[in-house]
Amino acid sequence: QSALTQPPSASGSPGQSVTISCTGTSSDFGGYNYVSWYQQHPGKAPKLMIYDVNKRPSGVPDRFSGSKSGNTASLTIYGLQAEDEADYYCSSNADSNNLLFNNLVFGGGTRLTVL
Amino acid sequence: EVQLVESGGGLVKPGGSLRLSCAASGFTFSSFHMNWVRQAPGKGLEWVSSITSDSTYIYYADSVKGRFSISRDNTKNSLYLQINSLTAEDTAVYYCARERWIGAVPTHVDFWGLGTLVTVSS
Repeated sequence: QSALTQPPSASGSPGQSVTISCTGTSSDFGGYNYVSWYQQHPGKAPKLMIYDVNKRPSGVPDRFSGSKSGNTASLTIYGLQAEDEADYYCSSNADSNNLLFNNLVFGGGTRLTVL
Repeated sequence: EVQLVESGGGLVKPGGSLRLSCAASGFTFSSFHMNWVRQAPGKGLEWVSSITSDSTYIYYADSVKGRFSISRDNTKNSLYLQINSLTAEDTAVYYCARERWIGAVPTHVDFWGLGTLVTVSS
């Protein structure tokens, strides 16, 4: 069972915006602002889309935006395109209270369908 | 261009062992921490193990502790995962990945390999 909770599915029409949430406790986020988001197309490796809550790696379109409020992080995709249809995973750090190492933990994933 | 290429996966019987390898190129391998992340068929991502750039610190998920061993050879730009005492629950695609840290805390994975499939079945 993932420490971070994501909705199993989300959908939107081309051109619309969609937001995917990622909910945990303050411990699940390890007390840090190190939330990242990954896109995974079927049969492919994950790809980093957002890191440090709201930073985009070079090459990721600015249609992808990340945010965090309290114990919920969000990924918003503006101007949906067909190629955005994929699975999306959030990630942060494990509970810092009981572990020697704040390893990365992942949400269960959200399948985004572009209608 | 950063490239991570895994190999060594395959079909293995319960209780068996495999050694996964990951060949890195396109960056200074010895300067980066690395990890293994796995994904069971139709399931999400699960962190398995991390190793610091100089192998000083090594960490494992509880689910693999005592059975898996991560290592690296910076002279060969290679990362390894020795996996022993395999069970059906270890069936997954195993990804080699470059892990970014700030201080002693991992923050994200910035590059992933294509993965290698390990299937545990009799």
